[in-house]
Amino acid sequence: GQQLNQSPQSMFIQEGEDVSMNCTSSSIFNTWLWYKQDPGEGPVLLIALYKAGELTSNGRLTAQFGITRKDSFLNISASIPSDVGIYFCAGRSGGGNKLTFGTGTQLKVEL
Amino acid sequence: EAGVVQSPRYKIIEKKQPVAFWCNPISGHNTLYWYLQNLGQGPELLIRYENEEAVDDSQLPKDRFSAERLKGVDSTLKIQPAELGDSAVYLCASSLSSFTDTQYFGPGTRLTVL
Repeated sequence: GQQLNQSPQSMFIQEGEDVSMNCTSSSIFNTWLWYKQDPGEGPVLLIALYKAGELTSNGRLTAQFGITRKDSFLNISASIPSDVGIYFCAGRSGGGNKLTFGTGTQLKVEL
Repeated sequence: EAGVVQSPRYKIIEKKQPVAFWCNPISGHNTLYWYLQNLGQGPELLIRYENEEAVDDSQLPKDRFSAERLKGVDSTLKIQPAELGDSAVYLCASSLSSFTDTQYFGPGTRLTVL
């Protein structure tokens, strides 16, 4: 099935650094979501975006809904060890709450 | 409040054997989803239930996969017979309805087919 393109695929950063990742699609979405998945667990919702151009924060996380509605960005400020995990974007269009997930960005934090 | 419960957490079987996964959603959640997650990829929807009705099963390989949610609460996903390519994590999620964005995921069942 279709998967959205996420970049970078993985990143290794120092604790305290800011992190940026993005997600692109060939299709338009009405909602963008960002999830985090820890090893052996299911994804957990971090941020939801509902309007083109919208900028939303959740603690140290900030996400933006791209103007074209075909992309979204996630920033993490001052990364800490518990930020380690895989971050997935997901787009939603139409009804039925059907989500199309991205390929994931794996974040590794060096102490 | 208890989250989505899945069992077993891990399953190893020989190819051509049948296997079943069980999911109990969050209490009161009418919508239940089964996802397939291959290694290094995001989840892909297999089937969505509204109460006991399967309303979207377009991605479910019906020749070998089946699912049921008889009383509109817990659900079972079955594969018969399993193939090597079925090795993956099977995630269950639930939401209050199809109109709310927050899908709550269970920990998944990791299937290995030998």
